[in-house]
Amino acid sequence: DVKVTQSSRYLVKRTGEKVFLECVQDMDHENMFWYRQDPGLGLRLIYFSYDVKMKEKGDIPEGYSVSREKKERFSLILESASTNQTSMYLCASSLYPVNSNQPQHFGDGTRLSIL
Amino acid sequence: QKEVEQNSGPLSVPEGAIASLNCTYSDRGSQSFFWYRQYSGKSPELIMFIYSNGDKEDGRFTAQLNKASQYVSLLIRDSQPSDSATYLCAVRPGTYKYIFGTGTRLKVLA
Repeated sequence: DVKVTQSSRYLVKRTGEKVFLECVQDMDHENMFWYRQDPGLGLRLIYFSYDVKMKEKGDIPEGYSVSREKKERFSLILESASTNQTSMYLCASSLYPVNSNQPQHFGDGTRLSIL
Repeated sequence: QKEVEQNSGPLSVPEGAIASLNCTYSDRGSQSFFWYRQYSGKSPELIMFIYSNGDKEDGRFTAQLNKASQYVSLLIRDSQPSDSATYLCAVRPGTYKYIFGTGTRLKVLA
């Protein structure tokens, strides 16, 4: 089974802090994704990566950056945390789409609160 | 128009009944379609995917795809209280990105 592991289930930080969310997958997937999920807004893509050191902006990249130094690890960075970044953060991974039928597999999520 | 639309619900069905969940999408070039189940406070888990027109069955679940009408549906037969969750429809319009609907909340009444 695919295993996507997020480093923290719950995290509380203060405004202005630099926050790191870590995600590791064990299935040698090329693609990795960071989403945030808010009530009524669904899953919104922040960034994704299709290869080591490669990254692409998603729909809401402002205030975030990412790092992918190794294939199995994809980090989300909140440069200067703000209260409107309080959310559930979900990491996902998928195989490179030789065909288009590769699903995403999600980690357990990190519920981040910014005070 | 949202790229992927789902009725937010809640959809309430009695135990043992068939639950029908629907999803429409706007990108005609979309190739593959996924259904995820998400329990409150948990992350989405994949139920099934479909990429060809018609029906695909997996146990109590059937996914139906109609590309001409741009909709995909999920039927849950013999619904159980444990099926109560939010069901997310996801569409893959291109190579990398997945577009999610906001989900339909299903309540199965015992």
